[in-house]
Amino acid sequence: GQQVMQIPQYQHVQEGEDFTTYCNSSTTLSNIQWYKQRPGGHPVFLIQLVKSGEVKKQKRLTFQFGEAKKNSSLHITATQTTDVGTYFCAPLGLLTGGGNKLTFGTGTQLKVEL
Amino acid sequence: DSGVTQTPKHLITATGQRVTLRCSPRSGDLSVYWYQQSLDQGLQFLIQYYNGEERAKGNILERFSAQQFPDLHSELNLSSLELGDSALYFCASSVDGSGGSPLHFGNGTRLTVT
Repeated sequence: GQQVMQIPQYQHVQEGEDFTTYCNSSTTLSNIQWYKQRPGGHPVFLIQLVKSGEVKKQKRLTFQFGEAKKNSSLHITATQTTDVGTYFCAPLGLLTGGGNKLTFGTGTQLKVEL
Repeated sequence: DSGVTQTPKHLITATGQRVTLRCSPRSGDLSVYWYQQSLDQGLQFLIQYYNGEERAKGNILERFSAQQFPDLHSELNLSSLELGDSALYFCASSVDGSGGSPLHFGNGTRLTVT
């Protein structure tokens, strides 16, 4: 079955430092979505990547989809306390027989210290 | 506010009991997804419905069942509850069922089995 790993599992940074989380799949992906879940909250959609090698930016966040469409990354420049939360990648894989199953990566929990 | 409504917010029940969780999707969304999140764990996909029909199945136990009604709201039924079923259950909705559109999550139902 589809295996999705995110690394690191946890990351503590000082405010102002950069942060990167990586999402790796054992299979080629149709697309990938990224979500953020604040402590005590629900996942919130951030972005979707579809094309091989695609790079998208949202202010201090940079999202990248690998050339082989098997991995993706999220990079945050100059972290702020508002960036605290767990970041999930959600790779889309086609199921045999049709239909799609939106599985989520294991998540990276980010803590930002002043 | 994501537009997805989940009730109840909290549920405390005993082992062996049966409960029903309810979800109203965002207006216009045809697809509903159910996820389970245990403490400090990732999001485990349970099941997906699209316009009343089951679309995809994940790691859903046989003791669990779900359905989507003509008005598109969905219910997740959990029976013969065990301590290990204690978790946060999220419902999400999307415009289509292909997995290519963003998921909008509700605030979740926190289930505690004692």
